[in-house]
Amino acid sequence: NAGVTQTPKFRILKIGQSMTLQCTQDMNHNYMYWYRQDPGMGLKLIYYSVGAGITDKGEVPNGYNVSRSTTEDFPLRLELAAPSQTSVYFCASSYNSWAGSTDTQYFGPGTRLTVL
Amino acid sequence: GESVGLHLPTLSVQEGDNSIINCAYSNSASDYFIWYKQESGKGPQFIIDIRSNMDKRQGQRVTVLLNKTVKHLSLQIAATQPGDSAVYFCAENTRRQLTFGSGTQLTVLP
Repeated sequence: NAGVTQTPKFRILKIGQSMTLQCTQDMNHNYMYWYRQDPGMGLKLIYYSVGAGITDKGEVPNGYNVSRSTTEDFPLRLELAAPSQTSVYFCASSYNSWAGSTDTQYFGPGTRLTVL
Repeated sequence: GESVGLHLPTLSVQEGDNSIINCAYSNSASDYFIWYKQESGKGPQFIIDIRSNMDKRQGQRVTVLLNKTVKHLSLQIAATQPGDSAVYFCAENTRRQLTFGSGTQLTVLP
């Protein structure tokens, strides 16, 4: 298994540009997550999904959108990039066996985004 | 030690010594805790987890202790090796979401 893969690894955007960060997992996990990590800080949850067709906001959703059309893919969309969105973005997935449970999250390698 | 929301503390240990990394959590309703290791330029990697009905759990060279009375979590690494140098995060489960602390930078000295 490749686990959780993310593309691209690095990206530089100009203010106002848009882009999609890709995330794919091959572990048949039902839950998927997007986090951002600012320098010297912990991870903050942007959005998560409990299954195909279902998404929900996390702690810091403003400026982002997500979709989950398949179990494997969970893309994160930035519509109007701002300097405050400069960060490292991590995608994660987990298999939650019952509603309310939380199982181990497995992380991708991250996408380093700079907005100038 | 570390508390959720504070900036990154650091810990330096001699190779071969034991390391103890601390974490204070705030939500008494949290029922699941995980320790992650993050090496430079990489995503967080699962180390060990513990549920709130336990107070200790051991893995390979690592032990997690949970004290719910004072809302404190610790990670003990035995015989610390150069490859253990990384940032270590604790995370607590609240409302089916994980809340991460800011992490502790562990440096292993030769």
